[in-house]
Amino acid sequence: DTEVTQTPKHLVMGMTNKKSLKCEQHMGHRAMYWYKQKAKKPPELMFVYSYEKLSINESVPSRFSPECPNSSLLNLHLHALQPEDSALYLCASSQEFSWEAFFGQGTRLTVV
Amino acid sequence: AQSVTQLGSHVSVSEGALVLLRCNYSSSVPPYLFWYVQYPNQGLQLLLKYTTGATLVKGINGFEAEFKKSETSFHLTKPSAHMSDAAEYFCAVSFNNNDMRFGAGTRLTVKP
Repeated sequence: DTEVTQTPKHLVMGMTNKKSLKCEQHMGHRAMYWYKQKAKKPPELMFVYSYEKLSINESVPSRFSPECPNSSLLNLHLHALQPEDSALYLCASSQEFSWEAFFGQGTRLTVV
Repeated sequence: AQSVTQLGSHVSVSEGALVLLRCNYSSSVPPYLFWYVQYPNQGLQLLLKYTTGATLVKGINGFEAEFKKSETSFHLTKPSAHMSDAAEYFCAVSFNNNDMRFGAGTRLTVKP
């Protein structure tokens, strides 16, 4: 199994809503990542978990809250988002930190 | 400062023509180098990678890239373009076990 699975594929939420994005991998990878990608731009790193511990937080606003319940799962909790947070959110994993990353298909988030 | 630059935000070739996408990096330490492809509304797929060893790297879908340390380059090539190659291509670099950084991306268009 060489897949990273993200759910949901699409999400529309209001600015007062609370929602969560989920990511799962069963490749035994020890590093997992959240990226944000705006249209026609490269992915921007948000968070990195290495061995289930948060190792990088790229100054992301607190309305984004990551969680790594176990080595296979990664969540991104969303609360009080702004319309400019609308983007494609990508999850990735790698065997070790900074090795080749495997990406999920992404969640297309629209904040209204 | 460590960085990665993709020359040309848009490249257009005819079907059957050579594809050349350029990537240069700036680093004081040997990097790991990657090329990813992204189709519309999808995640990123790894095309190929260079870590150590042979400097000419072959990847999927007929793509290859050559690491040239003297030129700090890792250009992506394919001898004959196919319509299905039309996509966004990202060069990515990992420096000294730090986070992976993506270039700005190059959109490849293939004309019939």
